[in-house]
Amino acid sequence: QVQLVQSGAEVKKPGASVKVSCKASGYTFTSYGISWVRQAPGQGLEWMGWISAYNGNTNYAQKLQGRVTMTTDTSTSTAYMELRSLRSDDTAVYYCARDVFGATSYFDYWGQGTLVTVSS
Amino acid sequence: EIVLTQSPGTLSLSPGERATLSCRASQSVSSSYLAWYQQKPGQAPRLLIYGASSRATGIPDRFSGSGSGTDFTLTISRLEPEDFAVYYCQQYGSSAWTFGQGTKVEIK
Repeated sequence: QVQLVQSGAEVKKPGASVKVSCKASGYTFTSYGISWVRQAPGQGLEWMGWISAYNGNTNYAQKLQGRVTMTTDTSTSTAYMELRSLRSDDTAVYYCARDVFGATSYFDYWGQGTLVTVSS
Repeated sequence: EIVLTQSPGTLSLSPGERATLSCRASQSVSSSYLAWYQQKPGQAPRLLIYGASSRATGIPDRFSGSGSGTDFTLTISRLEPEDFAVYYCQQYGSSAWTFGQGTKVEIK
């Protein structure tokens, strides 16, 4: 069965960086993309960006350009999201999701979420 | 960026009632790229509908999606206790995904 398992919760100070991992199993990793979505406490969903697991192409949300980097390691079927220069408003649960992109597109499987807390 | 506006913000209904959730886009959206998700507290979102009207695997037929252009609707024909949750619409356009702000369906 398809599973996306994310790394554990993180506490970071303002200005630091965080790197969240998302290990995929149960499907051919390079046949899909991975999108990252975050959710601040009590708020809605915010798309952060996408990476192709096939060729590493990326597309980041304009708001996060310059602060976010998404990568994959096809040898371990793992996707990574690094966010730099953290601020308090980056405190959120971060999700990875399998991105089915083609004639129709959607996120059909999600990781369990990783809570990132930014606090001095 | 295409903005999705969901209404109402909160829907208070009883089990067995019909729920109608609206998602309006700031400009025309391809139906192929319109999806709906359900999220319960402490859980990741779950895909319900993709391509505006296709049910995802394992989703009961009481959930249905419709619409085109700028107006889309998610209908739950008869609410079950497990359907009380927050629902989000999502679209892809201009090289970016955006989500609506969500509609909470709560028990009346």
